[in-house]
Amino acid sequence: EPEVTQTPSHQVTQMGQEVILRCVPISNHLYFYWYRQILGQKVEFLVSFYNNEISEKSEIFDDQFSVERPDGSNFTLKIRSTKLEDSAMYFCARQGLAGAGELFFGEGSRLTVL
Amino acid sequence: SQKIEQNSEALNIQEGKTATLTCNYTNYSPAYLQWYRQDPGRGPVFLLLIRENEKEKRKERLKVTFDTTLKQSLFHITASQPADSATYLCALPRGYGGSQGNLIFGKGTKLSVKP
Repeated sequence: EPEVTQTPSHQVTQMGQEVILRCVPISNHLYFYWYRQILGQKVEFLVSFYNNEISEKSEIFDDQFSVERPDGSNFTLKIRSTKLEDSAMYFCARQGLAGAGELFFGEGSRLTVL
Repeated sequence: SQKIEQNSEALNIQEGKTATLTCNYTNYSPAYLQWYRQDPGRGPVFLLLIRENEKEKRKERLKVTFDTTLKQSLFHITASQPADSATYLCALPRGYGGSQGNLIFGKGTKLSVKP
């Protein structure tokens, strides 16, 4: 059973369109993360979110990206105006209960930008 | 900045043998190091975490070592099975002061276990 549930599993969009990817934690956690993985490349950190605020973000996470927890449960990643190079798998993750930095990932959302 | 190298892109072994995967890092020694398994099209799955003051960690058929002098971790799967075939990722915290879940991942080693 995945630790977090992500939707959609696959989204195809046109360049310049807005995309919202969703993450639903199975249980109540405070720390969440978004990572992405371009096909054939490394898993890359995008942003960490703690207690309803961004706590850290990478250089990839520019003004086109935003994260929210609109209803205190679902956790969203929005890409405002998609580019071809945004095509990737996007993974939501929560931190392990031991708090030692281990991450538990969702199954991912595959984004294809045409 | 910290870099991770997983020296082998692919490793092919026979069922029953021990698979040994290598992870090297280039800069400061991290407080801990993690190993994940990733199957095609799926998210990484956490396997083991080893701290800088631990030389070795075991979990069932898995064993991880951590040598801060060599700046290296070895990941072993004993009595390997075809079901162990996957890509194995090494990950480190990005740096001091960063959030714990801000990890740098290696590119991974794709393990194939032949029956």
